[in-house]
Amino acid sequence: NFMLTQPHSVSESPGKTVTISCTRSSGSIASNYVQWYQQRPGSAPTTVIYEDNQRPSGVPDRFSGSIDSSSNSASLTISGLKTEDEADYYCQSYDSSNHWVFGGGTKLTVL
Amino acid sequence: QVQLVESGGGLVKPGGSLRLSCAASGFTFSDYYMSWIRQAPGKGLEWVSYISSSGSTIYYADSVKGRFTISRDNAKNSLYLQMNSLRAEDTAVYYCARDSNRVGWFDPWGQGTLVTVSS
Repeated sequence: NFMLTQPHSVSESPGKTVTISCTRSSGSIASNYVQWYQQRPGSAPTTVIYEDNQRPSGVPDRFSGSIDSSSNSASLTISGLKTEDEADYYCQSYDSSNHWVFGGGTKLTVL
Repeated sequence: QVQLVESGGGLVKPGGSLRLSCAASGFTFSDYYMSWIRQAPGKGLEWVSYISSSGSTIYYADSVKGRFTISRDNAKNSLYLQMNSLRAEDTAVYYCARDSNRVGWFDPWGQGTLVTVSS
């Protein structure tokens, strides 16, 4: 099984852009789709990015996803930060040994 | 609208059992793979178990294999998780989630049900 490693926390000011990384420990990041979930306190996770870079309907285009094979990582970029973006963000992917893997989560503070 | 509603959580003693349910509505339940995912208090997300649309294929995380059993009743649009030999480390909010693209995109999630294992 592989691990997905995220920074524990990031912070940025309103209106700025922030990028959260998700590094896969073994195997290619491109082997399986990466999803990103947003979780606000006391709520269930919701999808902000699926299949590496797809946005569900209703998610603003300020949210974008990408993968980088050279660093074996996925990234979630949020531009034009708003205070409402403050939340925990989790990356997730599938392990070909029939397990599903989540990153440890990143707490985004918009200050 | 697509909705998942979990129930069955509560306080149970170590070694005890509990059965969680997840009622699905707003979509053709029998077409979708489903999973249980948990979150210990103040911690991250952990995938627990997966079941195919027909129920014929099932997978478990190593941490629960042999103790938990996932099942579904497509006639009742319901997903279940039978949890036996519960341990303190099983304390968590348990979410059911739909696999929306059959390759591991969990969406939507239910609101979760809290399981507390304590004496």
